[in-house]
Amino acid sequence: SQKIEQNSEALNIQEGKTATLTCNYTNYSPAYLQWYRQDPGRGPVFLLLIRENEKEKRKERLKVTFDTTLKQSLFHITASQPADSATYLCALDSSSNTGKLIFGQGTTLQVKP
Amino acid sequence: GAVVSQHPSWVICKSGTSVKIECRSLDFQATTMFWYRQFPKQSLMLMATSNEGSKATYEQGVEKDKFLINHASLTLSTLTVTSAHPEDSSFYICSASGTLGTEETQYFGPGTRLLVL
Repeated sequence: SQKIEQNSEALNIQEGKTATLTCNYTNYSPAYLQWYRQDPGRGPVFLLLIRENEKEKRKERLKVTFDTTLKQSLFHITASQPADSATYLCALDSSSNTGKLIFGQGTTLQVKP
Repeated sequence: GAVVSQHPSWVICKSGTSVKIECRSLDFQATTMFWYRQFPKQSLMLMATSNEGSKATYEQGVEKDKFLINHASLTLSTLTVTSAHPEDSSFYICSASGTLGTEETQYFGPGTRLLVL
């Protein structure tokens, strides 16, 4: 069956450290994968998109990797800050040219000062 | 950045009534809008895909007669929950893609929290 999985346990780290979140998927062949941030009671906010032919993408303190062999994406936040505390969702396209996204359940990150 | 608004932000209604939620793209043309539902501590579940001027495409298990979607213009889509029941209580979020960013990027609204008593 098709699955997209993120670590459901909250990730607690100290301010200044690098946070690494994992997204694994099975029985999908996504053309791209996206990461979103969601704060409590709010809609998701787009962060990064990485395509299947890209190994890594960076945006300021954020870095995303995409390994289509392992069927895994890693999301890194370097020099983390308490303001980075939120739930992070990965999403992949379910089929070509429809734009439909399938979301993981999200991982909650807590950065402690 | 792109702004997508939803109205109302929260609504409480009695069982059996209908509720309409509006989703607007404020600074771009949304050729496609998506409606999601999110239960507490769960992921976003896609309910339907809406293209301007055509009928919405519903995901498996979503009743099209219960969740009426209208995408009458390139900036407005509405979701009407008809004859709402307590089990319909959830967080409803729309997203839009179109003439801004890449075709794969979805811009999400702030969500509408529905409580059916």
